[in-house]
Amino acid sequence: GENVEQHPSTLSVQEGDSAVIKCTYSDSASNYFPWYKQELGKGPQLIIDIRSNVGEKKDQRIAVTLNKTAKHFSLHITETQPEDSAVYFCAASMNDFGNEKLTFGTGTRLTIIP
Amino acid sequence: NAGVTQTPKFRVLKTGQSMTLLCAQDMNHEYMYWYRQDPGMGLRLIHYSVGEGTTAKGEVPDGYNVSRLKKQNFLLGLESAAPSQTSVYFCASRSSGSEVFGPGTRLTVL
Repeated sequence: GENVEQHPSTLSVQEGDSAVIKCTYSDSASNYFPWYKQELGKGPQLIIDIRSNVGEKKDQRIAVTLNKTAKHFSLHITETQPEDSAVYFCAASMNDFGNEKLTFGTGTRLTIIP
Repeated sequence: NAGVTQTPKFRVLKTGQSMTLLCAQDMNHEYMYWYRQDPGMGLRLIHYSVGEGTTAKGEVPDGYNVSRLKKQNFLLGLESAAPSQTSVYFCASRSSGSEVFGPGTRLTVL
């Protein structure tokens, strides 16, 4: 089955700086890669996703890049703000009928230092 | 549109007791999932369902059972709770694309 590794497990950055979280996956058939943000006491919430037919996707201060050859994808947050402090999870799936399961990374706790 | 709701929010059980966690979604999603979240281990899939009347095992199914009698509901049962089942449980649903998560149930087994 799919295996997703996520690094780093904790990350602290100064407010206004950029943060980068990286994930690698094992199954070359995976073609859907979402990122979730989880605030304290809440369920994970989708913040951005990318499919294998594109290499980069951007939404305001958040971007995701995908390298299918190397089987890794990254989350980039620019101009970080205190409200970006949370746990971030990457995930991967094949998103095909009969195999609709996401495999999650172990999470990154991001702390923004004011 | 409430999204995904979970009942109860908190529960404390004694070893050997049983309980059922309820997940409900009002988005007409086909797929539903139960995860457990433990410190340092991310989200691990317990069971999932690809449609009404169907269920399948995930990564950590032992000690749990599920049922999907109605499309909008997905029940997670613990027949005989053990301290190792102390965790935060999340339900999620999905049509195409990403999963939508509920707020979670914090379960403690003494």
